[in-house]
Amino acid sequence: EVQLVESGGGLVQPGGSLRLSCAASGFTFNSYSMHWVRQAPGKGLEWVSFISSSSNTIYYADSVKGRFTISRDNAKNSLYLQMNSLRDEDTAVYYCARTFGGGYFDLWGRGTLVTVSS
Amino acid sequence: EIVLTQSPATLSLSPGERATLSCRASQSVSSYLAWYQQKAGQAPRLLIYDASNRATGIPARFSGSGSGTDFTLTISSLEPEDFAVYYCQQRGNWPRTFGQGTKLEIK
Repeated sequence: EVQLVESGGGLVQPGGSLRLSCAASGFTFNSYSMHWVRQAPGKGLEWVSFISSSSNTIYYADSVKGRFTISRDNAKNSLYLQMNSLRDEDTAVYYCARTFGGGYFDLWGRGTLVTVSS
Repeated sequence: EIVLTQSPATLSLSPGERATLSCRASQSVSSYLAWYQQKAGQAPRLLIYDASNRATGIPARFSGSGSGTDFTLTISSLEPEDFAVYYCQQRGNWPRTFGQGTKLEIK
């Protein structure tokens, strides 16, 4: 089955760190670029970060630049998001998503909830 | 950053009616626009890409149109399972951006 499964979410205090993982299966992971997209409770979708298939190209949203780091391990079919200096406004469901058609998202995980609160 | 503005914020219709959702970009994105459907507690689902192409498995009642800055998603005859939140998204520039969403609710 073609799927993405996120993990690593949880409750963290402001200023803390968390590492999210996304396990891919059922497709050739190393052929696809990948993204993280988040959704704050009751709010819309916000693109967070992009990594190319070979990790040569990486982009971040301004809201996370300098605090978050995207990476991947193609041997393990896994995508990661290292989140440091977390803020209240980082509270959201974090989805990993596969790139389609040059910049859309055709396969999504179910998401993992990150709650930043003291 | 390209800002996408969706209208209306909420659309109240009955099953069988036609739904028309709008997405306006702050600058041209050519035809590089997609539409997603999101139901409560679920991940978004890609419906339309490059403004007018249906994604795999999407029913023919969903259609998209537009180019440049003005785009439309049309659902020709609403089914009960179509009531959800719809987002547009552009891939014309970095950062990728989404509209704020249109909630399609049952009247």
